[in-house]
Amino acid sequence: KAGVTQTPRYLIKTRGQQVTLSCSPISGHRSVSWYQQTPGQGLQFLFEYFSETQRNKGNFPGRFSGRQFSNSRSEMNVSTLELGDSALYLCASSSQGAEYEKLFFGSGTQLSVL
Amino acid sequence: AQRVTQPEKLLSVFKGAPVELKCNYSYSGSPELFWYVQYSRQRLQLLLRHISRESIKGFTADLNKGETSFHLKKPFAQEEDSAMYYCALGGDSGGSNYKLTFGKGTLLTVNP
Repeated sequence: KAGVTQTPRYLIKTRGQQVTLSCSPISGHRSVSWYQQTPGQGLQFLFEYFSETQRNKGNFPGRFSGRQFSNSRSEMNVSTLELGDSALYLCASSSQGAEYEKLFFGSGTQLSVL
Repeated sequence: AQRVTQPEKLLSVFKGAPVELKCNYSYSGSPELFWYVQYSRQRLQLLLRHISRESIKGFTADLNKGETSFHLKKPFAQEEDSAMYYCALGGDSGGSNYKLTFGKGTLLTVNP
């Protein structure tokens, strides 16, 4: 099975722009989660989607949004970028997003905001 | 609110020595705890979870509800164990795994 695929691998944007990141889960997985990783804050949960529905959301401003398509692929969007949004954005998938399930992580998208 | 604390940012041991990576959590419900590991230039991956009571690559972790801890242990460290280790707490009020709260990680270096 192919692993979790995230594109693009690297992104450079300027303040005020918007960006869209993509995540393709492992085939058959219906739950996709997004995490932001920074040196200062570590890994922080952004949101989780299952069958095109957002089931849980972390404590991030409304500039961060996401969606999931019928094929389980997911995108996240960040509008009006700020310098502090520079981070590694990780996507993870699991079969159902249920208790004790193992999460499979992608390699991430490294976003730099200048 | 859920919180995970890994008190050591860096931990350095010699090959063959025992290693213990500490993890403490704060959670009002029944916790679901995990250890994830990230080796150099590799993806973050699950090492073990408390519900399975398993031993992976010689590592074990026991959930101590009284001390709210889930420390990761290995009796004899190997150089290939060098990596970043994250303790994670799953669940919200509904007891789901939809959201993981991660500690800030401990970078383990095993010296030859």
